[in-house]
Amino acid sequence: ETGVTQSPTHLIKTRGQQVTLRCSSQSGHNTVSWYQQALGQGPQFIFQYYREEENGRGNFPPRFSGLQFPNYSSELNVNALELDDSALYLCASSLGQGAFTGELFFGEGSRLTVL
Amino acid sequence: DAKTTQPTSMDCAEGRAANLPCNHSTISGNEYVYWYRQIHSQGPQYIIHGLKNNETNEMASLIITEDRKSSTLILPHATLRDTAVYYCIVTYGNKLVFGAGTILRVKS
Repeated sequence: ETGVTQSPTHLIKTRGQQVTLRCSSQSGHNTVSWYQQALGQGPQFIFQYYREEENGRGNFPPRFSGLQFPNYSSELNVNALELDDSALYLCASSLGQGAFTGELFFGEGSRLTVL
Repeated sequence: DAKTTQPTSMDCAEGRAANLPCNHSTISGNEYVYWYRQIHSQGPQYIIHGLKNNETNEMASLIITEDRKSSTLILPHATLRDTAVYYCIVTYGNKLVFGAGTILRVKS
């Protein structure tokens, strides 16, 4: 039990649609990171938010965007879905870099299937 | 890009120590070594991390060589529930770059 919850757990979309995935972080954690994990691969860093501002981005196009809210919740939005976006999307919360204790707290993920 | 090299898979007998190696020859002075694991269909779980010194917690021990170019994660008494993918990550701060990891199979 990490204290990080994600919704929905599973969803199916079609190509071209838009999706919003949600995450509720541990209370007090001011940093949230999102990862994409394709089948059989390790998680890939999408981006990170610190105090509601984007604070680092991996090699993902602009159609991947996010929001972080003051109540420790956050969203990952993906526009113009492609078949290759089918993956497990993981949210992880932590303290900010200067206070990082070494542990990211991951949720169980949202499994997205794009048809 | 991931900065670590790990074996693709390893087997370990239940009750024995599991020793998982990791090479990180390009590690820089302020980068930490982190270990996470991922049990099937779950989010990754933190195990341990270290900078220079060996570290031990209730889950595992981390042995880092003096030149910091490699490390070993030790699970002292592996159980069937330790079957998972183990990721060795080298980074500074809280942006983790995962590689493919090592699939550890603990067998009875």
